[in-house]
Amino acid sequence: GEDVEQSLFLSVREGDSSVINCTYTDSSSTYLYWYKQEPGAGLQLLTYIFSNMDMKQDQRLTVLLNKKDKHLSLRIADTQTGDSAIYFCAESLRTGGFKTIFGAGTRLFVKA
Amino acid sequence: EAGVAQSPRYKIIEKRQSVAFWCNPISGHATLYWYQQILGQGPKLLIQFQNNGVVDDSQLPKDRFSAERLKGVDSTLKIQPAKLEDSAVYLCASSLDLGDPQHFGDGTRLSIL
Repeated sequence: GEDVEQSLFLSVREGDSSVINCTYTDSSSTYLYWYKQEPGAGLQLLTYIFSNMDMKQDQRLTVLLNKKDKHLSLRIADTQTGDSAIYFCAESLRTGGFKTIFGAGTRLFVKA
Repeated sequence: EAGVAQSPRYKIIEKRQSVAFWCNPISGHATLYWYQQILGQGPKLLIQFQNNGVVDDSQLPKDRFSAERLKGVDSTLKIQPAKLEDSAVYLCASSLDLGDPQHFGDGTRLSIL
């Protein structure tokens, strides 16, 4: 089946690292994405990783992919109060038009 | 480049009324998506277009929802008649082609009274 699961909440102190985790069930994914959603806004594409990669780094963001365990993580280094938002994990499946399945989102709280 | 444009930003209607949303994707993007995002949940795909053709509308409640992308650029999503459970944010997204990363608009927040 197609399912993407994330924990609902994460709270960190400003300056610490945040790690948001995601698990998915379908092994036919092509891309895996991380999106950020701030209140009243749409989803902002943060980063993505091809399913044949293990890691991708982009400034403060590090994405790790473990295909064997179907586990994806997003690490935010030096977390700032402006990083407070909901983070969505999503997988793109190569099934009849590249369907994208989203998780329910992880709400990140950053304490000053 | 200009992002995905959606209007209106907010809409309040009574149940059984009709409503329409408009989306203008990023220039040159062939693929356009409409999603429904209920409070506390991730986006759920309603319909996906490739140019002016429908790729996937399996999750669209066709008895009340309709969408079109006649010239392969702008798109409209209509609900008629609206039900209370349609209260949600309706997000439009576009991508260069099928399978490419999607870029989202800010959405239309629909409240049904």
